[in-house]
Amino acid sequence: NAGVMQNPRHLVRRRGQEARLRCSPMKGHSHVYWYRQLPEEGLKFMVYLQKENIIDESGMPKERFSAEFPKEGPSILRIQQVVRGDSAAYFCASSPPTSGYYEQYFGPGTRLTVT
Amino acid sequence: SQKIEQNSEALNIQEGKTATLTCNYTNYSPAYLQWYRQDPGRGPVFLLLIRENEKEKRKERLKVTFDTTLKQSLFHITASQPADSATYLCAAVNTNAGKSTFGDGTTLTVKP
Repeated sequence: NAGVMQNPRHLVRRRGQEARLRCSPMKGHSHVYWYRQLPEEGLKFMVYLQKENIIDESGMPKERFSAEFPKEGPSILRIQQVVRGDSAAYFCASSPPTSGYYEQYFGPGTRLTVT
Repeated sequence: SQKIEQNSEALNIQEGKTATLTCNYTNYSPAYLQWYRQDPGRGPVFLLLIRENEKEKRKERLKVTFDTTLKQSLFHITASQPADSATYLCAAVNTNAGKSTFGDGTTLTVKP
C-alpha cells in the first residue's frame, strides 16, 4: 500500500509564475489536508478537502492560493503569481473516512523555492 | 487566539535516559492531542493520539499523558537511543473546528 505521494518533490519558480503542487492520498483515503512549513517553524494548516468539496479553508491566504480535490485524480494546491515569501515546504496529509482528522498520514512534501 | 506551545526548542540527553517533551495549550479545549515525529527533509510520522478523557497512553517505549487541568501533554521516550533523534511535533484537534493545530516542535538529540 503506497503512502501519500506528492510531486514534484522540489519546485523552483521565478517571482510571478504559478506553482502547482500535487498530492495523491493513500488508497481508500478520502480526506486531504494541506500544510505549509516555513524554515525553522512548525506546520501551519491551510485547507481540508474531501472529494469535490472544500471543508475548511480557514488557513488559506485570501489571495493567490487555491486548492481542489476532484472526483478523479490528485488534489492540487495552486499558487498564482508566487512571491519570495511563498518559499516553504508544503505537506499534504490524508486520512481514511472513519478516522477523520485524528490520524493523518503525511507525504514527503514539496519544497518550493521562489527566486 | 488558540496556541500550542512546545517549550523546548532543543533537548539533548544521554542514551538510555528518558526524554520528556512538553506541550502546552492556551485558549483551547482540544478533544485530542497527537504526537508526530519529523526527520529532516521528510514529512511528519504519526506516533500517538490521546483523547481528553484519557490520562495516559503507551506504545512500546513511548508514553503520552494529557492533563486538562494543567492544559498540558507530556511525551516520554524511555531507554532513549540515538535513532530517536528527531523533531517531535505536538498537535491539538478540536472536533468542532476539525483541523490540527501544530506546535513548533522540539528537536531531540540523543547522544551515545
